[in-house]
Amino acid sequence: GDSVTQMEGPVTLSEEAFLTINCTYTATGYPSLFWYVQYPGEGLQLLLKATKADDKGSNKGFEATYRKETTSFHLEKGSVQVSDSAVYFCALSDHTGGFKTIFGAGTRLFVKA
Amino acid sequence: DTAVSQTPKYLVTQMGNDKSIKCEQNLGHDTMYWYKQDSKKFLKIMFSYNNKELIINETVPNRFSPKSPDKAHLNLHINSLELGDSAVYFCASSHPGTSGSDEQYFGPGTRLTVT
Repeated sequence: GDSVTQMEGPVTLSEEAFLTINCTYTATGYPSLFWYVQYPGEGLQLLLKATKADDKGSNKGFEATYRKETTSFHLEKGSVQVSDSAVYFCALSDHTGGFKTIFGAGTRLFVKA
Repeated sequence: DTAVSQTPKYLVTQMGNDKSIKCEQNLGHDTMYWYKQDSKKFLKIMFSYNNKELIINETVPNRFSPKSPDKAHLNLHINSLELGDSAVYFCASSHPGTSGSDEQYFGPGTRLTVT
């Protein structure tokens, strides 16, 4: 079945450091890929998405490129801020699997001032 | 103008009790979901309804019963609560197919503590 694997956390960085959170997936069809972010005490919210191969999703300085050849969707940001501290979830949705979104286990990011 | 709302935000109850969590969305979406998030932040889908019809029913104890009175509401009733039910429960909605992707809109969560 479909699955999403993302790097284990926590990831601890200093402010202005470069961030990469790795995400790889397996899917039988042609999924859409997402990154969601969960700030403390809140629900998940969509950060960015890509619906087909080679698409780049971007938002708030974060980027991720849909790489079909490596089945990856790594999240990057050039300069993190303390306010980026949160849990990040990689996810996929595949219409061949019905109305189900598969989430990765989440990666907690701590950014120190 | 909250998109997906849940009540209550916190729920503390004793083992063996029955409780309900309510969810409403004003986005006009056809599909709604319930997720359970454990203490390690792992998110597990429990149920999904599309136009009031149950379409996803993961391996969840029979003590959990969803009810969708209309497209905008999906409630979760839990019977005979157990300690292991303590978690944060999230409601979400989506409208698959509108933009070629199934992005989901989440509620703020209900933190359930069973003592």
